[in-house]
Amino acid sequence: RKEVEQDPGPFNVPEGATVAFNCTYSNSASQSFFWYRQDCRKEPKLLMSVYSSGNEDGRFTAQLNRASQYISLLIRDSKLSDSATYLCVVNMRGSQGNLIFGKGTKLSVKP
Amino acid sequence: DAMVIQNPRYQVTQFGKPVTLSCSQTLNHNVMYWYQQKSSQAPKLLFHYYDKDFNNEADTPDNFQSRRPNTSFCFLDIRSPGLGDAAMYLCATSRDLGGGGGNQPQHFGDGTRLSIL
Repeated sequence: RKEVEQDPGPFNVPEGATVAFNCTYSNSASQSFFWYRQDCRKEPKLLMSVYSSGNEDGRFTAQLNRASQYISLLIRDSKLSDSATYLCVVNMRGSQGNLIFGKGTKLSVKP
Repeated sequence: DAMVIQNPRYQVTQFGKPVTLSCSQTLNHNVMYWYQQKSSQAPKLLFHYYDKDFNNEADTPDNFQSRRPNTSFCFLDIRSPGLGDAAMYLCATSRDLGGGGGNQPQHFGDGTRLSIL
């Protein structure tokens, strides 16, 4: 089983749609969780951290389910500018801070 | 203002010719990382520095070396680039290591896209 797994997509959705991505991780010792956004041929940028209680930032909601070892990202009212690849990222306890990246889920928002 | 700066944005080198990629940061972060990312793949950690302490990933080829002369700068040296080394190289920083607790997101530079002729 891969350490961090995501559906690669692409998810093609119309503007205004709500879209959700899931990500599973294999190591129960994982401690910190993030969603990064990466535009084509650009660097990853932190979208949001994921907290145990779930957290929201504008149109974006992140949730963590430790029992099932998955993380989700919900995007409401999709904009054309949301088109990007969304990387699920996990930090393992005792791993010297190394982040484990998923391969990403590609989202394409169409007019 | 850019906080993690990589130079150059695009680097072309010849097969076997040594090349150095540069990264600088204005965040005064303790940790600096180098990643390799190939098309449609996740970033792959090559190594990181915690202050002056160097930590090499087990599967990083010997061809890849790094230097951190001070807090602000970190270099990636590729001694004899092969065709398989063509990739985007990403530098990142974090205030501290995250393994001990708490969220420690990493901040990435724009990357250097390396091509091998």
